[in-house]
Amino acid sequence: GAGVSQSPSNKVTEKGKDVELRCDPISGHTALYWYRQSLGQGLEFLIYFQGNSAPDKSGLPSDRFSAERTGGSVSTLTIQRTQQEDSAVYLCASSLAGTGNPDTQYFGPGTRLTVL
Amino acid sequence: AQSVAQPEDQVNVAEGNPLTVKCTYSVSGNPYLFWYVQYPNRGLQFLLKYITGDNLVKGSYGFEAEFNKSQTSFHLKKPSALVSDSALYFCAVRDMGDNYGQNFVFGPGTRLSVLP
Repeated sequence: GAGVSQSPSNKVTEKGKDVELRCDPISGHTALYWYRQSLGQGLEFLIYFQGNSAPDKSGLPSDRFSAERTGGSVSTLTIQRTQQEDSAVYLCASSLAGTGNPDTQYFGPGTRLTVL
Repeated sequence: AQSVAQPEDQVNVAEGNPLTVKCTYSVSGNPYLFWYVQYPNRGLQFLLKYITGDNLVKGSYGFEAEFNKSQTSFHLKKPSALVSDSALYFCAVRDMGDNYGQNFVFGPGTRLSVLP
C-alpha cells in the first residue's frame, strides 16, 4: 500500500508570504504528526492529531503556524507571514494509534521550505 | 518529561567492522524505544522498536539494539557495517503511560559514516 505522501516536495517563497504544506497519511492511520527539521538537526515536534480528539498544538512555535486535519485523513500545515527562520524540512508522520499502544510512526519524504 | 541523548554527533567506522550508535533515555515510567534512519534527502524510516520482553531487538537491514534498563540505554548495533549504512540515525522514546504526541521524543541524531 501507499506510504505517507507530502506535497510539495520543495517550496521556495518570499518572506511575508503564506504557505500551505499538505500531508496524506497512510489509509486507516488515526494519528498524524507534524515535525520540523532544520538542516542536519533533530526533529522538533509541532502538532499531533489523534482521531476526533482536539489536536495537541503545544509544539507550534508561534501563532503564525496552524494546522488542520479534514475528515480524519489529509492534513494541511499553514505558515502565515513566513520568516527566514521558518526555512526547514517539514516532516509528516502517521501511525495506527497513539493511546496506550507502541505506535510506530511512518514518515513522509518531507517538504523542504526555503524562505528568501 | 522524557528525554533522549545521543552522545555522539558523528560515528566513523570502516566497512566490515562492527558499529555501535549510542542512545540513553530518561522517562518516569517504562519506555517504548525506537530507532529510525534517515538517508540523504529522505524521510525517516523505522528500523526497530523495544516494547517489552526480550532485551535484544532485531530490526531491518541487519540492525539490532539492546535495551538495558539499569543503564537506561538502547544502543544500536550491527556486526558488519556497509557503506550503504551511512546515514543519520535517530533514537526516540515514549513513556508507556503517556498518551500525547508531544511525549514522543526524538534524540538529536547521530551521523554514521562507513568508510570503504
